Amino acid sequence: DTAVSQTPKYLVTQMGNDKSIKCEQNLGHDTMYWYKQDSKKFLKIMFSYNNKELIINETVPNRFSPKSPDKAHLNLHINSLELGDSAVYFCASSRKAYEQYFGPGTRLTVT
Amino acid sequence: DQQVKQNSPSLSVQEGRISILNCDYTNSMFDYFLWYKKYPAEGPTFLISISSIKDKNEDGRFTVFLNKSAKHLSLHIVPSQPGDSAVYFCAASANTGNQFYFGTGTSLTVIP
Repeated sequence: DTAVSQTPKYLVTQMGNDKSIKCEQNLGHDTMYWYKQDSKKFLKIMFSYNNKELIINETVPNRFSPKSPDKAHLNLHINSLELGDSAVYFCASSRKAYEQYFGPGTRLTVT
Repeated sequence: DQQVKQNSPSLSVQEGRISILNCDYTNSMFDYFLWYKKYPAEGPTFLISISSIKDKNEDGRFTVFLNKSAKHLSLHIVPSQPGDSAVYFCAASANTGNQFYFGTGTSLTVIP
């Protein structure tokens, strides 16, 4: 059983479109995250979220928004996609302050 | 502002020898450190962690050392195996938060 899953694995879309990436974890963790890995391989946190608190990295444009329908899901919505949004996006989950379990990543390509 | 740095983007080691991967951090509030291993087209997987109350943690072939005064940690793999070839990320967290800060990774190649 996959602990943290993401869909889709690959996403190719045009500038200006709105897209979503889904994430689900079956570990019972109460905190989930979204990371962006850019072309320089730098893995940077975008959001961390539990049922009490959303922490947003201040460098993340407000075109990006996390949405959590329930504790096991944290989806990433991106509006008005730009070329610079092309990257690999990783979802992760953890118990607070412990190691995170990552999904396989979604490679987003904006053309 | 990168708070966690891995200054060696790549490392090659002969099979059976020791691999030493280094990581430096700038934030003195960090008190929990982790190493992750990442294969191509997969997400990072947790490898080993260390709390700031310790200076060493060992798990099989993997040992992490923490030098708080130098704000430096290292991961030792001995003996290195070809299956260890991957990108290794170090990450750090302060006890207040859920946020982990990652380094840029070191690509390890173990040569058979």
